[in-house]
Amino acid sequence: NAGVTQTPKFQVLKTGQSMTLQCAQDMNHEYMSWYRQDPGMGLRLIHYSVGAGITDQGEVPNGYNVSRSTTEDFPLRLLSAAPSQTSVYFCASSYSNGWGVDYGYTFGSGTRLTVV
Amino acid sequence: KNEVEQSPQNLTAQEGEFITINCSYSVGISALHWLQQHPGGGIVSLFMLSSGKKKHGRLIATINIQEKHSSLHITASHPRDSAVYICAVRSRGNLIFGKGTKLSVKP
Repeated sequence: NAGVTQTPKFQVLKTGQSMTLQCAQDMNHEYMSWYRQDPGMGLRLIHYSVGAGITDQGEVPNGYNVSRSTTEDFPLRLLSAAPSQTSVYFCASSYSNGWGVDYGYTFGSGTRLTVV
Repeated sequence: KNEVEQSPQNLTAQEGEFITINCSYSVGISALHWLQQHPGGGIVSLFMLSSGKKKHGRLIATINIQEKHSSLHITASHPRDSAVYICAVRSRGNLIFGKGTKLSVKP
């Protein structure tokens, strides 16, 4: 099925460990992004990409790293996990024609991460 | 002050009631999105608006660009409509989200 695939769905990490959250889409979307969702707060943008080889920081980028070597994949790396990174993470993608026209977003199913 | 404000934060309704959720924003936008998040956690896009009104089944979304305000209406609400409804605006190329409105529809 076409869409955004996120793995894993659940993960428990110890403080200081590193890991990669995977995000893949098969819709040939140029725009991809990562968000975190915390209780009582709206989703917040971590990093985004407007195409292969292009990434930029969002509102809360500290402690996270991204790369975009292909159009399909946009992994999020936690370099040294901290309890403050306990959250639910969502990946999303959107078509972009480069003319500023807005299109809808497709979200992954989320990754629930706990750092102990 | 949050750039996207939703009201109410929580809403309980009886089955069949007409429901309105409001969203106000303070930034320039290219589009406004209404999203639905079910208890299982997945997020689904309901509407994308840049002007006027859209309707899909029992859901209606409106936007007033001059007043920087949007509403999501649910007619003849049903328990399966219970979810968190999230307003998000696309500004400077990225989405800014409201905190969501948790709707519970009782049978």
